[in-house]
Amino acid sequence: EAQVTQNPRYLITVTGKKLTVTCSQNMNHEYMSWYRQDPGLGLRQIYYSMNVEVTDKGDVPEGYKVSRKEKRNFPLILESPSPNQTSLYFCASSLGRGRFNEQFFGPGTRLTVL
Amino acid sequence: EDQVTQSPEALRLQEGESSSLNCSYTVSGLRGLFWYRQDPGKGPEFLFTLYSAGEEKEKERLKATLTKKESFLHITAPKPEDSATYLCAVQAKSGNTPLVFGKGTRLSVIA
Repeated sequence: EAQVTQNPRYLITVTGKKLTVTCSQNMNHEYMSWYRQDPGLGLRQIYYSMNVEVTDKGDVPEGYKVSRKEKRNFPLILESPSPNQTSLYFCASSLGRGRFNEQFFGPGTRLTVL
Repeated sequence: EDQVTQSPEALRLQEGESSSLNCSYTVSGLRGLFWYRQDPGKGPEFLFTLYSAGEEKEKERLKATLTKKESFLHITAPKPEDSATYLCAVQAKSGNTPLVFGKGTRLSVIA
């Protein structure tokens, strides 16, 4: 089954404790992206990757890191989480950025930073 | 700055009562406009892509249309299972611009 998977689905942590949210897709997609969704603000892009070893900042990259060492994986790293990073996070992938930008989203990771 | 405004924020319909959701956008050259459906606690699910004014796409009870300034998602004879939040997003042609999402319209269809 074609899908985007994220782990963990739920995470409660404390300020400053490094964490990684994994994202994997099995559709051989070139393009992957991370979003956060907050009430009243909608979906905002954090980082994206056009291909392996190519990443770039989205609208709200502060406090986040990403890497793309393999085509299928795109982990999101919070080196020192803070309470304002409490949010619902989605990973997405698509064939590319042009006319094939129908993005497939993962199930989401709900993060709480205390 | 690219912007997307969706209206209404929330819409409550009786089963079978057709209506439309609006997505107004400003973008410096449109590459594509996207509609997604999002159920509570789940990731957005892709519905349609529209690329140029005048284009229309249909899927079951949903029909999306596009003009130079806005898109409509028409829902014909909705059913309770159509209840969800509907998201609109645009992507500009220039450079590696990200998708810009609207805040969504929360649709409730009552039996």
